[in-house]
Amino acid sequence: AQSVTQLGSHVSVSEGALVLLRCNYSSSVPPYLFWYVQYPNQGLQLLLKYTSAATLVKGINGFEAEFKKSETSFHLTKPSAHMSDAAEYFCAVSDTGNQFYFGTGTSLTVIP
Amino acid sequence: EAQVTQNPRYLITVTGKKLTVTCSQNMNHEYMSWYRQDPGLGLRQIYYSMNVEVTDKGDVPEGYKVSRKEKRNFPLILESPSPNQTSLYFCASSLLPLDEKLFFGSGTQLSVL
Repeated sequence: AQSVTQLGSHVSVSEGALVLLRCNYSSSVPPYLFWYVQYPNQGLQLLLKYTSAATLVKGINGFEAEFKKSETSFHLTKPSAHMSDAAEYFCAVSDTGNQFYFGTGTSLTVIP
Repeated sequence: EAQVTQNPRYLITVTGKKLTVTCSQNMNHEYMSWYRQDPGLGLRQIYYSMNVEVTDKGDVPEGYKVSRKEKRNFPLILESPSPNQTSLYFCASSLLPLDEKLFFGSGTQLSVL
């Protein structure tokens, strides 16, 4: 089975600072990788996905992620944090397209 | 409005009393799936369905059943709920699993006493 590791269950950044959320995966084949965001009392929303095209993937709300095969990583970044970015972020992986494996999530706090 | 609708939003029940959580999507999506979310464990896939009458186990299917008799509906059935099934449940759908994004419902908070 696949596994996804998100380093840091809680991350705090100042408004305007760089956001970096880490995700490492285990996969024996090139995977499909996703980042989802969850706002309080809501379901998850897709931020971006990697499907073996460009290694740098741009998503919504100014987020992007870079696929690094040698490091088995897919870290999420945003150059300048906004208060509205405060949420729970989940990294997910799939290799079959049927089963998805999610990380344990990272709660992002943005300090004014 | 395109959406995935789950009911109920909150449910408190007792051990052993059968329950069904409904999930319906209005986007004509082929793929539907159920997840449970637990603190410190993230989301774990329970069951998924590639189309009508086609269902398969995810990572944690024990104690759950599903059915896909119609394309739009994918109910989750707990025939004999136990306290370890207390969790936040999400239904999701997509046109195709990887080509399209997953649309999530708003969740069902289940407490089994």
